[in-house]
Amino acid sequence: GAVVSQHPSWVICKSGTSVKIECRSLDFQATTMFWYRQFPKQSLMLMATSNEGSKATYEQGVEKDKFLINHASLTLSTLTVTSAHPEDSSFYICSARADPEETQYFGPGTRLLVL
Amino acid sequence: AQSVTQLDSQVPVFEEAPVELRCNYSSSVSVYLFWYVQYPNQGLQLLLKYLSGSTLVKGINGFEAEFNKSQTSFHLRKPSVHISDTAEYFCAVSRKYNQGGKLIFGQGTELSVKP
Repeated sequence: GAVVSQHPSWVICKSGTSVKIECRSLDFQATTMFWYRQFPKQSLMLMATSNEGSKATYEQGVEKDKFLINHASLTLSTLTVTSAHPEDSSFYICSARADPEETQYFGPGTRLLVL
Repeated sequence: AQSVTQLDSQVPVFEEAPVELRCNYSSSVSVYLFWYVQYPNQGLQLLLKYLSGSTLVKGINGFEAEFNKSQTSFHLRKPSVHISDTAEYFCAVSRKYNQGGKLIFGQGTELSVKP
């Protein structure tokens, strides 16, 4: 149980285009989903926290207009990187948790390469 | 605020040897503690967690960890490692009783198991 999927697993796009990444909890209802960014050989950096039906809470320094997060249902959250640039290239990982469970379950990640 | 320090960035070890990956945390409030493993180009998989109760926690793949409140540590151990244990290991904490569930990660420890 507690499986989280992400789609796509990798994406290459041109600079200036937008990319949408989906995060789904497959066998549980996720009251909260989290989006992380990970640079090579580094730890995970939390970008934002999203609760179903409400606006996402962004961490300091994360541009909310650039990284649009939508948590439309209890099993789906999306991250849209708008007007992507090469510096947005990274590994994006989502996680999900279901209240009152304290554990976050992670997706397999999406590698984004912006040319 | 909470912080997590993983004292070793890299731990090389021979197959079938014991290993300990160290994790110390700092927090003014009670916390939950987690260890996650990340294989190359994948998301994070939960190894084990401490929420309450017995301070010795057993996880998957033969790993265990011991919560030491006085030393604010949560070291991960395995008595005999396999080549397949080669991966990045992350220690993380979250605030107890905080329904937001935000995780604070350590910098990660790269475990390299050699034949």
